[in-house]
Formats: sequence, C-alpha cells, structure tokens
Amino acid sequence: KAGVTQTPRYLIKTRGQQVTLSCSPISGHRSVSWYQQTPGQGLQFLFEYFSETQRNKGNFPGRFSGRQFSNSRSEMNVSTLELGDSALYLCASSSDGLALRYEQYFGPGTRLTVT
Amino acid sequence: LAKTTQPISMDSYEGQEVNITCSHNNIATNDYITWYQQFPSQGPRFIIQGYKTKVTNEVASLFIPADRKSSTLSLPRVSLSDTAVYYCLVGSSGAGSYQLTFGKGTKLSVIP
Repeated sequence: KAGVTQTPRYLIKTRGQQVTLSCSPISGHRSVSWYQQTPGQGLQFLFEYFSETQRNKGNFPGRFSGRQFSNSRSEMNVSTLELGDSALYLCASSSDGLALRYEQYFGPGTRLTVT
Repeated sequence: LAKTTQPISMDSYEGQEVNITCSHNNIATNDYITWYQQFPSQGPRFIIQGYKTKVTNEVASLFIPADRKSSTLSLPRVSLSDTAVYYCLVGSSGAGSYQLTFGKGTKLSVIP
C-alpha cells in the first residue's frame, strides 16, 4: 500500500506570495491532518479534515487554510507569506476518527523556504 | 490548552532500557496519549498509544498513571537504530476547538 505523498517536496517563495501544498493520503484513509515543524516551535497542529470537513483547527492565523476533496486528497494554502512561515509542513492521514485516536501516517513533508 | 514537557535530550548505551517521560496537563479526559519517533528528513512514525495503565507492543511499552498527568515511553534494549527524536502527542479542548499538542521532543542518542 502506498504511503502518504506530499508535493512538492521543496519550495522557495518570496514574502507576500501565496503557496499551495498538496497531500495524498493512504488509500482508504478519510482523515488528513496538517502540521508545521520548525526548530524553534517544534511540531504544531494546523488543522484536521475528515470527509471534506474541517473538524479541528490549531492556533494559526487565517492566512493558513486548507481543504479536502471527495477522494480525501488535501491541500493547504498559505497566503501573504512571511519569513516566519519557513518550515517543514507535514501531512498525516489516519483511517478514521479524530487524529489522536487513530494511528497517523506521516508523509515526508514539504520544505518551504520564504525569502 | 494542554502543555507538555519532555527532556530535551538523553543518552543511552546499546542494550539498555530507556524511559522517556512526558508531563502533560489539561489533556482531554477521553483521548489517547500517543508517542511518535522521527528520524532526520522523515515524517514522524507512530510508536505506541494508550489511554491508561500500561500498553505494550512489539517495540515499546507505555505507562500512564491514573491521573494521566504524565506518560512514560519505555524502549527495551535500545540499539543504534533507535537514535531519533521522540515526541508525545496529546489532545485538549480550548479556544472553541479541539487541539492536538506535540511535546517539544526528546533527542535520544544511543552510544555503541
């Protein structure tokens, strides 16, 4: 069974631009969560989607948004990029339910650099 | 919201048992406590999950006291390949939403 895939793997953007990251979950998984990882703040929860609905959201500004499609694939968007948005963005999928109650499978992440 | 505390780093010799403790308060009363392992340039990988008392699988044990204010990941007989960062993950309710909170991670270095 193929794992979680994320595209692109690396991205360089300029301040003020916007970016869209993509995540394809493991086949059959309906829950997708997004996390931001930085050396200073560690792993921080962004949001969780289940069956195309955002169920939970972390403490991030409205510039961070996401969506999930009917095939469970998910995208996250960051608008008006700031230097502090430079991070590894990780996507994780799980078979069902809330992210915490089921084993999450993480993708390799997208490394975003904002200059 | 939940707050978590883990040791920043630990060293251990090969073959020893390693215990990593995560302190957490204000966690959801009806949710699991989960631990993940992360190697450089990879996403975290699930190790073990528990609700209370003790859980054991083929790679680790997890001890959770009755008050659920902490959890201890136990790795038996570590090897060099266990050198990684270990995170606890808990859930809590706050600010009108359910939040997932990772610990800051414990970097385990296994010495030959």
